[in-house]
Amino acid sequence: KAGVTQTPRYLIKTRGQQVTLSCSPISGHRSVSWYQQTPGQGLQFLFEYFSETQRNKGNFPGRFSGRQFSNSRSEMNVSTLELGDSALYLCASREEGGHSPLHFGNGTRLTVT
Amino acid sequence: QKEVEQDPGPLSVPEGAIVSLNCTYSNSAFQYFMWYRQYSRKGPELLMYTYSSGNKEDGRFTAQVDKSSKYISLFIRDSQPSDSATYLCAMSAGRTSGSRLTFGEGTQLTVNP
Repeated sequence: KAGVTQTPRYLIKTRGQQVTLSCSPISGHRSVSWYQQTPGQGLQFLFEYFSETQRNKGNFPGRFSGRQFSNSRSEMNVSTLELGDSALYLCASREEGGHSPLHFGNGTRLTVT
Repeated sequence: QKEVEQDPGPLSVPEGAIVSLNCTYSNSAFQYFMWYRQYSRKGPELLMYTYSSGNKEDGRFTAQVDKSSKYISLFIRDSQPSDSATYLCAMSAGRTSGSRLTFGEGTQLTVNP
């Protein structure tokens, strides 16, 4: 099976702009979650989607949003970018049912200038 | 105080050494414990996944969980230069937590040939 695929791998944006990141989960995985990784804060949970519905959300401002499509693919959007949004954004997917582990993609490296 | 504490290292060992990586946590609700390995410019890769207290072995890797002490460990036997990476512990409270993992900050390991 192919792993979690994230596009693009690298992005450079200017403060105030918005950005959309894309994620394709492992085939058959219907739960998709997003994490932000920075040197200072480590890995922090953003949100989780299942069956096109957000079912869990971390402590991030409303500028961070996401959605999931009927094929389980997901997008994450950050509006009004700030310098502090520079980070590696990781998407993860897992099987539903019981408690199964997360499998991560290689991330999108976002740089805000 | 962080929910999960992990010594960031860096840790440098000679090839063939036994490596011990550790995390402590404060949330007694955590039931699922994971270790991820992250190479530079890659996403975290799942190494070990355990439920509750006890040991689990997979090849050169052994994970230990001591819930009474709120302490988890990962042992790497016969370490190889290819084991050089950042190791992240992660944990979750259970099925209702879904994909919401709490991570340690990661330990950077270098195995010298």
